[in-house]
Amino acid sequence: RKEVEQDPGPFNVPEGATVAFNCTYSNSASQSFFWYRQDCRKEPKLLMSVYSSGNEDGRFTAQLNRASQYISLLIRDSKLSDSATYLCVVMYNFNKFYFGSGTKLNVK
Amino acid sequence: GAVVSQHPSWVICKSGTSVKIECRSLDFQATTMFWYRQFPKQSLMLMATSNEGSKATYEQGVEKDKFLINHASLTLSTLTVTSAHPEDSSFYICSALGEAGELFFGEGSRLTVL
Repeated sequence: RKEVEQDPGPFNVPEGATVAFNCTYSNSASQSFFWYRQDCRKEPKLLMSVYSSGNEDGRFTAQLNRASQYISLLIRDSKLSDSATYLCVVMYNFNKFYFGSGTKLNVK
Repeated sequence: GAVVSQHPSWVICKSGTSVKIECRSLDFQATTMFWYRQFPKQSLMLMATSNEGSKATYEQGVEKDKFLINHASLTLSTLTVTSAHPEDSSFYICSALGEAGELFFGEGSRLTVL
């Protein structure tokens, strides 16, 4: 079983739509959680960290469910510029990171 | 946010030559850096963990004699692909561990070996 699993998509949505991605992780000792966005042929860029209480940054909301071992990312009012691959990243032991394979989003 | 710079962005070399890629943390000290490679439409694959002042820790299946990693200072790690061959052509990305535990990535280096 993979350490971190994501639906690869692609998610094809119209502009203005709300879209949600989930990511599950297998190690219950995982400490920190992040969402990154990666554009084609570019490096991943930190979108937001994910906190137990949930956090919001503009149109983006991230949630963590430790009991069920998943994190989610909600994007409201999708823009064309949101088209990218979204990577779920889980850290444990302070320097061990596991990456999901990424979820591709196409906003049209 | 923290910035990590990677150089060169693109490199084309002949088979058998060695290529050095630099990864610098520009506004913070990074005791730990990571090196990845990524093939088209695939996820990042961790190659090794680079710790300042000590030997790198390589992932299973990654040849340490082929991919030399040096982390001589708190702001610089280098990856040298020795005797590169066409199958080494890939997108190589470094990342540095920030103070809050997040990863900051370099811009990546696209290597093409002819």
